[in-house]
Amino acid sequence: SAVISQKPSRDICQRGTSLTIQCQVDSQVTMMFWYRQQPGQSLTLIATANQGSEATYESGFVIDKFPISRPNLTFSTLTVSNMSPEDSSIYLCSVEGGQGVREQFFGPGTRLTVL
Amino acid sequence: GENVEQHPSTLSVQEGDSAVIKCTYSDSASNYFPWYKQELGKRPQLIIDIRSNVGEKKDQRIAVTLNKTAKHFSLHITETQPEDSAVYFCAAILSNDYKLSFGAGTTVTVRA
Repeated sequence: SAVISQKPSRDICQRGTSLTIQCQVDSQVTMMFWYRQQPGQSLTLIATANQGSEATYESGFVIDKFPISRPNLTFSTLTVSNMSPEDSSIYLCSVEGGQGVREQFFGPGTRLTVL
Repeated sequence: GENVEQHPSTLSVQEGDSAVIKCTYSDSASNYFPWYKQELGKRPQLIIDIRSNVGEKKDQRIAVTLNKTAKHFSLHITETQPEDSAVYFCAAILSNDYKLSFGAGTTVTVRA
């Protein structure tokens, strides 16, 4: 499976600021996704990062709050904008196996705390 | 979209006993069902999956069964060990889609 890294691994931020999270994959992948996992909860899909076009957002998530970039097939960023304490979560990127493989693999996650 | 329900939310078993987690899904068009294990502070790890053309799949001490008619699938862990303690998530994907819909998770504790 692909090797996926995320930066930063954790951060503590002040409310009203923004944080950009990076996701790097060691091979080209078609599908990249961003998830949020609130404390003690399951994973919720934020958006699908599309290479060369705008991300596709799930219900309840908007581009102004969570802008996403996907400049190539190995890299994506998620920005959490104008943060509030409710944004404190783990943010994970995932990639699909590719070539018809439906398995999805997750990055190590970014633990965000907003004060 | 797909709705996945998972039970129980917590499960405590004696080491060496079996553990069973059950999930139901709402959309009969779902055709791929992975299971993830998440240890504390770690990423979710894919441990086993099953496709809708298969009724059962085994990998050493873990197995997954699928009942398409009833729209439910289950994870079975035999001979549980302390390292099996984790949160387990089931998920489903629609045949014409790529988005994972997750269950709420089951916290499994294996007592030594």
